Order: sequence, then structure tokens, then C-alpha cells
Amino acid sequence: NAGVTQTPKFRILKIGQSMTLQCAQDMNHNYMYWYRQDPGMGLKLIYYSVGAGITDKGEVPNGYNVSRSTTEDFPLRLELAAPSQTSVYFCASSRGQGAKASNQPQHFGDGTRLSIL
Amino acid sequence: AQSVTQLDSHVSVSEGTPVLLRCNYSSSYSPSLFWYVQHPNKGLQLLLKYTSAATLVKGINGFEAEFKKSETSFHLTKPSAHMSDAAEYFCVVSDLTGRRALTFGSGTRLQVQP
Repeated sequence: NAGVTQTPKFRILKIGQSMTLQCAQDMNHNYMYWYRQDPGMGLKLIYYSVGAGITDKGEVPNGYNVSRSTTEDFPLRLELAAPSQTSVYFCASSRGQGAKASNQPQHFGDGTRLSIL
Repeated sequence: AQSVTQLDSHVSVSEGTPVLLRCNYSSSYSPSLFWYVQHPNKGLQLLLKYTSAATLVKGINGFEAEFKKSETSFHLTKPSAHMSDAAEYFCVVSDLTGRRALTFGSGTRLQVQP
């Protein structure tokens, strides 16, 4: 009963390093999302995908890239880590399709806590 | 654009007393609204959702919320708080455009005193 799995759970990076945050879901959901959560704040959308091969920017995409080669996986790439990217990153997925897609709940992973020093 | 405002950043109650977490929304259309809970160092768990079928929505762990269109509110309540309810609660509205993304309120931290 895995749901949405994120790896790693914690990571410390130096400024200018790059890394990929992994996200996988086993619910055959078409829609997947990456959010970041800064201290004391709600989540903000970085990127999203409505299906394999289709991605688009959210509210705060600068400094990040994504790809969606399969339905299951949606990795988030940081190319040149900056201190402003210190945050907790959450991946989510939902069915997302159909007339009532807007009320389909999103399922979240446990997050990746990233510090950039 | 849709938005939600959580009116209290922090709420403290005693165990066994009622809980009220307040949320107002702004939407151009009939919204889809959710409450999520986040326990420390965990992801978000869906408590309940409003989908226009009924204005009073029951969720997990004894929580419920009432959708009031005239007041543009979707407050979360529970008759009797339990220590395990201590967490961060987010009121959320769903984007009705193609991306179906969520817009989060800033959160309310619920503290439950013994």
C-alpha cells in the first residue's frame, strides 16, 4: 500500500550543487505535482504534469526542472542549488480527469527536507 | 483567481473541548474545498472534502466542516479534541482549470492541552 513515495527524506547540499528529488506513485494517477513548503507557510506549486510526456509550470518554477517519461515517476531536478531553495518538497498525485476531477483529492508523499548551505 | 484565508495561525484548546478552525474562500465559481492535516515531519492527509453534494461534510477522526456560500466560509469543527489532533491544518481550494492544482491557506497550528 505504498501510495506516493519520495526519496531521499533528507538532504544537505552545497550552493551550486545539483540533485534530483525522486517521486513515484503506484495508483496509476495521471496528475502529479511538486510543491514546496517554506516554514510557517502553505504549499506552493512548482511544476505539475497531467500525464506522461506533459509537464507545465506552477507558481514558483524558477530554478527547477521536471520530466515525466512514465505514469509512475515524476522527478524534480535542481540544477544550481541556492539557499532560497531550502525547503520541504512534497510530491502529490491525483486521478484528475473527468467532469468531477476538481474534487479528486491529492495524495501526498512524506516530503523531502532539503537544506542548502 | 481562487484563494483561501485561514483566520487563525494558532489555536489552543483543552483536551475534550470543541475545536473550531476558521477558513474563508474566494472563488469565481462553485469551489471544491478540502481540509488537510499535517502531523510533524509527515506529509498531508485528507480530512474531508466539499463537492457540492451536501453542505455539511463529515471527515475522518470526528472532524466535520460546513460550507456556507452566503458567508464564503468552510470552517472545520470537532466536538471534542484529542491529544492526537495536535497538528497543522490546511484549508485548500482546488483549481478548476486543467491543471487541477491546489491553493493552500497559510495553515492553522492546533495545540491541545492536557
